[in-house]
Amino acid sequence: SYELTQPPSVSVSPGQTARITCSGDALPKQFGYWYQQKAGQAPVLIIYKDSERPSGIPERFSGSSSGTTVTLTISGVQVEDEADYYCQSSDSSVTHVVFGGGTKLTVL
Amino acid sequence: QVQLVESGGGVVQPGRSLRLSCAASGFTFRSFGMHWVRQAPGKGLEWLAVIWYDGSNKYYGDSVKGRFAISRDNSKNTLYLQMNSLRAEDTAVYYCAICGSSWNYFDFWGQGTLVTVSS
Repeated sequence: SYELTQPPSVSVSPGQTARITCSGDALPKQFGYWYQQKAGQAPVLIIYKDSERPSGIPERFSGSSSGTTVTLTISGVQVEDEADYYCQSSDSSVTHVVFGGGTKLTVL
Repeated sequence: QVQLVESGGGVVQPGRSLRLSCAASGFTFRSFGMHWVRQAPGKGLEWLAVIWYDGSNKYYGDSVKGRFAISRDNSKNTLYLQMNSLRAEDTAVYYCAICGSSWNYFDFWGQGTLVTVSS
């Protein structure tokens, strides 16, 4: 079955830039999406179609895509950005949705 | 404002069935596809199923295909998940979510309902 691979954890200091990668063989042909999930809360869409930002999402969140990797970048990380981040895409047949395993962002 | 409220969770014995509901409000429910996603305790997100806005098409994740069934009643603004032959590994928080501009992502999520499968 198709898999998306994320690092389990990323740590940054406030004000620094955090980058979270997500790798998958179908990503050159399928869009990547990113969700933020804070402790005890439902996920929230923060990036769609590789690099689009929904209304209400701060500009410090951005997304990019290159080959088999999509990347979530958080510029000027704030303490409230501490959360789990999940990438998501579809398999090449576009009949299944797949999530990455999630990355815990720790703001030191 | 958009609201999705899941209900129907609880403790159920292995092998039994359970039906979850997701009551939608604040948007035109009949115009949007809908998903179910779950999250086992301390684990990541797992997509379960999607249903088209009119119920004409459904896709399922491999782990639940044949055991779970997604359906909707647009007259009641409600999404359902019928879960049969439940197993301990089905223990999770179950979320409903609205499809984005394409069916294969999640624009907005409910707060979830906990299902515990235990004897």
